[in-house]
Amino acid sequence: VQLVQSGAEVRKPGASVKVSCKASGYIFTGYYIQWVRQAPGQGLEWVGWINPNSGATNYAQKFQGRVTLTGDTSVTTAYMQLDNLKSDDTAIYYCARGVPYSNPGGTWGQGTRVAVSS
Amino acid sequence: QSVLTQPPSVSGTPGQRVTISCSGGSSNVGSETVNWYQHIPGAAPKLLIYNDIQRPSGVPDRFSGSKSGTSASLVISALHSGDEAEYYCAAWDDILNGPVFGGGTKVTVL
Repeated sequence: VQLVQSGAEVRKPGASVKVSCKASGYIFTGYYIQWVRQAPGQGLEWVGWINPNSGATNYAQKFQGRVTLTGDTSVTTAYMQLDNLKSDDTAIYYCARGVPYSNPGGTWGQGTRVAVSS
Repeated sequence: QSVLTQPPSVSGTPGQRVTISCSGGSSNVGSETVNWYQHIPGAAPKLLIYNDIQRPSGVPDRFSGSKSGTSASLVISALHSGDEAEYYCAAWDDILNGPVFGGGTKVTVL
């Protein structure tokens, strides 16, 4: 069971970023994908989740209107797009597998560093 | 401001027992299960405890979890130098329909 994320990104304020999370070793549609981030010097913060089976999503209020989670079952990959980036979006973004309506479990991606700087 | 409350730091000498608390509310810790994660900078968070008290295979039995009402605890019964890390609790929140995290507790081995 593995989640492999795309590489580090650098963006300017106002731009968008799309991070991928490739799943393998399990039935992709059987688990949620949670997205969690850690900004420098801060704790873990939930961004949102997607049910790859139905496409249903839920986002933390803080990111509503700026984040879009999608999934492509043909390539067992989940995506997180964050728009209108701000400097305080600089963080490591993690995807994690979870059973429906539960916390992230034991399988996490390696993290994707996103830096937002002018 | 995290939804779940943890002490910012705890410390102990090798072999000592340390306890990390996690306080929440009726919509999260009080009604849903708690997970605990160990996070070392540069690595992905590692699941230590799930469903309040369960340990994934490979996690030493020095780590144990408990819960009562709206509070949960992680106990490291005999501290090792390799346990230096940040520890986070998390619980599903029925109102937010997503997980909420504690602010993290830094464990230092003296």
